Amino acid sequence: AQSVSQHNHHVILSEAASLELGCNYSYGGTVNLFWYVQYPGQHLQLLLKYFSGDPLVKGIKGFEAEFIKSKFSFNLRKPSVQWSDTAEYFCAVNKGGSYIPTFGRGTSLIVHP
Amino acid sequence: DTGVSQDPRHKITKRGQNVTFRCDPISEHNRLYWYRQTLGQGPEFLTYFQNEAQLEKSRLLSDRFSAERPKGSFSTLEIQRTEQGDSAMYLCASSLQGSVYEQYFGPGTRLTVT
Repeated sequence: AQSVSQHNHHVILSEAASLELGCNYSYGGTVNLFWYVQYPGQHLQLLLKYFSGDPLVKGIKGFEAEFIKSKFSFNLRKPSVQWSDTAEYFCAVNKGGSYIPTFGRGTSLIVHP
Repeated sequence: DTGVSQDPRHKITKRGQNVTFRCDPISEHNRLYWYRQTLGQGPEFLTYFQNEAQLEKSRLLSDRFSAERPKGSFSTLEIQRTEQGDSAMYLCASSLQGSVYEQYFGPGTRLTVT
């Protein structure tokens, strides 16, 4: 069965620090990749997605992610975090052609001002 | 607000009771999904509809669970004879056929079974 691993469950940073959240998946075929974010008290929303093409994907609020096929990874990055980035971040993977994503367990990010 | 809405936002029920949740998707979206999320976990897929047809169900969806989307618009998720293990956040999402992989989530219904 396909699985999605987010190795960092809790991350605490100070403002202006750089962020990298890991995401690895186990499926070997074509995949579509997503990062979702859930701010405190709000619903899940899409941060960025990868379907094909340039493996470096830019999303909203200065986030980016890089798809490395050989490593089955889709890590999320931001060069300088802000207090407002405090949220839960979820990586999700669709097998190519499937409408159903498998989510990782999430990473809780706390940014101290 | 034209996003996905869910009702109720919170539900507390006693074990053995039946509960029903409602989801209203974004109006032009023809695909609707239900997920369950427990503490410390990501959302887990339960079932999805394309228009009024229920096309896929997870093994998580036991026979106590039933979902409907009778007119291809709103959907309901019913849990019969609730158990304490059913306590979770139930999320609904919808997507547009032209961008089927991008889902828009509602705020969820938090169920507590006592």
